[in-house]
Amino acid sequence: QQQVKQSPQSLIVQKGGISIINCAYENTAFDYFPWYQQFPGKGPALLIAIRPDVSEKKEGRFTISFNKSAKQFSLHIMDSQPGDSATYFCAARNRGSTLGRLYFGRGTQLTVWP
Amino acid sequence: DVKVTQSSRYLVKRTGEKVFLECVQDMDHENMFWYRQDPGLGLRLIYFSYDVKMKEKGDIPEGYSVSREKKERFSLILESASTNQTSMYLCASSLWGTGNTGELFFGEGSRLTVL
Repeated sequence: QQQVKQSPQSLIVQKGGISIINCAYENTAFDYFPWYQQFPGKGPALLIAIRPDVSEKKEGRFTISFNKSAKQFSLHIMDSQPGDSATYFCAARNRGSTLGRLYFGRGTQLTVWP
Repeated sequence: DVKVTQSSRYLVKRTGEKVFLECVQDMDHENMFWYRQDPGLGLRLIYFSYDVKMKEKGDIPEGYSVSREKKERFSLILESASTNQTSMYLCASSLWGTGNTGELFFGEGSRLTVL
C-alpha cells in the first residue's frame, strides 16, 4: 500500500517554464512534508519542506503548496533551469515519530530543455 | 557537513554469494536506514535502526539482514544474492526525536549487480 502517491512519473519542461509535481496522501497523522532532490550519481538531498499549519512555503524558485483538506501537496519550480534536471521525491512523516521514518512517493524525473 | 559514506559505489556479485554493504555516518545520528531504489518504484525501505543492536523491518526486508554494532555504522547483508536484488542501495541517517524534522542525509549509493 503506497502511503504517498506522486505524479507525474516524468516531466519535460522548457527552460523558463514552470514545473509542477503533485503528491497525495491518506494518513491524517502525517505532519511533515519534505521534498528531496536527487541528481544522477548522487543520493537524494532535502530541498524544501512544509508543515500542515501553513498553505505555502517558498524558497527561491521553489514553492510547496499544501492543501490540508484535500490531503495534497505540490512542488512548483518557477523559471525552471537545465540545472534543475533531477529526480524529485515527495515524502511524509508521521506525527510524533521519533524514528523519523519518511514515506516516499515514487519520484518524478524532471528534464528541463535549454 | 553531515557525511554518510557507503564504502562500495559499484559491486558485481554472483548468484548465491553473500554480500555486505557498509555505511558509516559521522554526525552521531541515532537513526540509520537502508533503502533500495529502482526505476519507477522510488525509494523502498528495507531496514532501519534507531540504536546500536536495534533494528526494525521496513517494507521489503525479505532476503536482507542488517547489523549495527556501533552507532556510526550500519551494514546491509544479502545472505544469498539473487538477480532480483540487482539495484541501487542507499543508506541514510537522521537525528532521533520528535523535535527534529527528521531530515534524512543520504550516502551516494551502492550499485549492486548480481549475475
